[in-house]
Parts: sequence; structure tokens; C-alpha cells
Amino acid sequence: QSVLTQPASVSGSPGQSITISCTGTSSDIGGFNYVSWYQQHPGKAPKVLIYEVSIRPSGVSTRFSGSKSGNTASLTISGLRPDDEADYYCSSKKSSGSLVAFGGGTKLTVL
Amino acid sequence: QVQLVQSGTEVKKPGASVRVSCKTSGYTFSAHGVSWVRQAPGQGLEWMGWISAYNGNRIYAEEFQDRVTMTTDTSTSTAYMELGSLRSDDTAVYYCARDAATVVTGYFDYWGQGTLVTVSS
Repeated sequence: QSVLTQPASVSGSPGQSITISCTGTSSDIGGFNYVSWYQQHPGKAPKVLIYEVSIRPSGVSTRFSGSKSGNTASLTISGLRPDDEADYYCSSKKSSGSLVAFGGGTKLTVL
Repeated sequence: QVQLVQSGTEVKKPGASVRVSCKTSGYTFSAHGVSWVRQAPGQGLEWMGWISAYNGNRIYAEEFQDRVTMTTDTSTSTAYMELGSLRSDDTAVYYCARDAATVVTGYFDYWGQGTLVTVSS
């Protein structure tokens, strides 16, 4: 069972916006601004979309945005495209134990 | 350009050990840590641990502390992960990933292609 909780699946139509939540505790998401989001297509390595809660690496589309409130982080994808269909994972630094936690992943379906 | 190239597919018997390599290029090896992340078939990502390429400091996830060893070879800019006492539930794709910082943050900006390790009798 993952330390961070994500919905198993979300869906949306092309052009719409969706938001994926990632809920943790004060020992991870709530305690650090080290939340990252990754996109993974089948058979491929993950690709970072967001780091430090809301920063987009160079080359990542502005359609991807991140935020955090308390112990919950969120990834919003606007203007959905068919190639956004993938698995999405959040991660956070933790204060103890295994120092990095991942969410269980969210499968995005673009209808 | 930054590249992390991993060693090939492995098939091991229960109780054996496996060593996966991750050869890096395109950046100053000692300026970043390397984490190892695994993904069982159809499952999510699981962080296994981190090693500093600067001074060799290691931080292992609690679940793997007794069975994993991470090392680096600065002369070849290569990181290694060895997992022992293999069980069938260790069957997974193992990734190396560059931590964007010199400390553990969970921000992995470059990833290897993954190495499939199958544990079967």
C-alpha cells in the first residue's frame, strides 16, 4: 500500500481539464515543498512533469500545473490531448524512514 | 546530452543476487545523487534508495535495508545496485534515476531505460 494516496483512475475528453490529487501527511507532502509529478506511458520510463510542487522543467508543456494545500498536492492537465493518456505518479520527500514516497498512480483515460 | 544506460535483462533463481548497472554520461557524475526505483508488473513505482556520487553516502528504504547494496564507480561514472536473497515478488523493472540535487529530494530529472529482473525457479 502506497504512502501517498491517488485516485486509481480519472478520465476526460479532449480539450477538457482534469485534476489528479495526491494525499499524504504532515511528514511528507505537508512538511516539504518537494512534491514531484511523473508521467509514464506503457513500457516507458517515467518522465518528470512538475517538481517542487509547481515548477515545470524546461520543455514540459504549460498545460501541466501543480499545486499544494496542506497535506494534498494536485496536478492539473488542461486542454487534454489523446497522448496525455498515461499513468501519473506523485512523489514526496519524507521526514523519516524511506525518504521518498510515491503515490499508487492514476491512470488517465482520454475519451 | 544526459544519458543513463542500464544493463540488460536478468533471470535469477530464488535466493540468488542480481547486480544492475547504470552508466551515466553527459553531466558531472559527482554533482548528483542516483536513486533506484522499481516497478513490479502492473504496479506502481517504489523507491529503493539513493547514493551520493560525490561521497558514496547511501540512504536505503527500510524495506530493502537488509538486502540491497548501492555503489558507484567514479572512474566510469557508473552506479550499481545489488539486491540479494531474491524472491519471486522481486520480479520487476528496476530503474536508475538521477536526483536533480546533491541530496534526496524525490525530483528525478533523468531516468535509465529500465532493467527487467525476473525471479523464477
